[in-house]
Amino acid sequence: AQTVTQSQPEMSVQEAETVTLSCTYDTSESDYYLFWYKQPPSRQMILVIRQEAYKQQNATENRFSVNFQKAAKSFSLKISDSQLGDAAMYFCAYTEDFGNEKLTFGTGTRLTIIP
Amino acid sequence: EAQVTQNPRYLITVTGKKLTVTCSQNMNHEYMSWYRQDPGLGLRQIYYSMNVEVTDKGDVPEGYKVSRKEKRNFPLILESPSPNQTSLYFCASSLVGANVLTFGAGSRLTVL
Repeated sequence: AQTVTQSQPEMSVQEAETVTLSCTYDTSESDYYLFWYKQPPSRQMILVIRQEAYKQQNATENRFSVNFQKAAKSFSLKISDSQLGDAAMYFCAYTEDFGNEKLTFGTGTRLTIIP
Repeated sequence: EAQVTQNPRYLITVTGKKLTVTCSQNMNHEYMSWYRQDPGLGLRQIYYSMNVEVTDKGDVPEGYKVSRKEKRNFPLILESPSPNQTSLYFCASSLVGANVLTFGAGSRLTVL
C-alpha cells in the first residue's frame, strides 16, 4: 500500500523568510500525482500545488514551489516570503493515475508564522 | 459558485442514535468520496463512489454506510454511532480522471 510520511509535526518560520516542509512517499507505480493541501483554522482543505510524476519540471504557484525528487520519492514544499496567512496545517498527499481519485495523506505539518 | 456542501457542519450526538451527514455537489462530478480526519492520522478515506449506484469501501469503512442514488448527492450514514467515530468529516468530489478533488467545508461530529 502507498504511504505518505511527513516527519515534521510542527515548524515555525519568521515572517518574510523561507521555509521548507518535507514529504516522502512510497509507491511502486510510475504514474501518479502529488499534492500539498493547506488547512487553515477554518478547516477548509485548500489545494496549494499539484505535481504530476511524469513531469520533470517542479511545479510552482506564486510563492509556493516544490522540489520533486522521483528517484528519492521525496516531495518537499518551499514557501517563500512567508506571510501570516500561511499559518496552517499542511498535508502532503498522493494519488495514482488510474482514474481512482483516492488521496493518501500524510499526517500533516503545523506551520506557525512568527511576526 | 462551484462547491461541495456538507450538512450539518457541527453535530453532537449520543451513542447509538442514527445520523446522516449530507453531501451535495453542483459540478456534475462523477466521483465522490468521504474522508475522516483525526489528529496524528491525517485524512483517511471511508467510502467512495465512481458514479450513481456504484460505491466501494475505502480504508476505514467500518461503522459507516453510503448511498449514491443521484449524481449530485452522497450521504454518509452512521447507523449506530460510537465515540470512536468522533471526528472531522470531509466530503470531496471530482471528475473521473481529473485527479483534483474539491472538498467540502467539513463536518465536526462528536459522539458522546
